Amino acid sequence: NAGVMQNPRHLVRRRGQEARLRCSPMKGHSHVYWYRQLPEEGLKFMVYLQKENIIDESGMPKERFSAEFPKEGPSILRIQQVVRGDSAAYFCASSQTFTDANYGYTFGSGTRLTVV
Amino acid sequence: LAKTTQPISMDSYEGQEVNITCSHNNIATNDYITWYQQFPSQGPRFIIQGYKTKVTNEVASLFIPADRKSSTLSLPRVSLSDTAVYYCLVGDDKAAGNKLTFGGGTRVLVKP
Repeated sequence: NAGVMQNPRHLVRRRGQEARLRCSPMKGHSHVYWYRQLPEEGLKFMVYLQKENIIDESGMPKERFSAEFPKEGPSILRIQQVVRGDSAAYFCASSQTFTDANYGYTFGSGTRLTVV
Repeated sequence: LAKTTQPISMDSYEGQEVNITCSHNNIATNDYITWYQQFPSQGPRFIIQGYKTKVTNEVASLFIPADRKSSTLSLPRVSLSDTAVYYCLVGDDKAAGNKLTFGGGTRVLVKP
C-alpha cells in the first residue's frame, strides 16, 4: 500500500515561470492537505481539498497560487509567475474522513521548489 | 487552536532517554495532543497521540498530567537515527479537515 506520493521531489524554476506540484493520496483517502515549509521553520497550512472541492483555502496566498483535486488523478498545487520567496518545501498530506488515532495524517516526502 | 511551546533544541547521547515537554496552557476540552517526527528532506511522520494520562506505543510514550496543560514525549534509548525535529500539536484532529498547526518544533541531536 503506497503512501502519499508527491512529484517531482525537486523542481527548479526561473522567476516568472509556473510550478505544478502533484500529490496522489493514499489509497482510500479522500481528503488532501497542502502545507508549505520554509527553511528552518515549521509547516504552514495552505489548503484542504476533497474530490472536486476546495474546502478550506485560508492559508493560500491570494494571488498566483491555486489548488485542485479532480475526480480522477492527483491533486495539483499550481504556482504561477514564481518568485524567489516561493522557494520552499511543499508537503501534501492525506486522510480518511476521520483520522485513525493510531496513524494521524500521512504526509508525502515533499517537493522542494527552488526559484532561481 | 491551542498554541504550543516546546524547547528549540536538545542534545542527547545514544542509549539515553529523551524527554521533550510541550506546554499548551489553552488546550480545549476536545483537543488531542499529537506528536510528529520529521527527518531532513522528509515529511512529518506521526509518532503518538493522546488525550490524557499515559499512552505508549512501540516508538514512544506520551505523558499527560490531569490538567492537560502540558505533555511530555519520551523516547527510550535513543539511537543516532532518532536525530530529527519533533513537533507537538494540539487540536481536534479526530475529524478530517482540521488544520494541523506546526510550531517550530524541537531539534533533537543524538550524539554517539
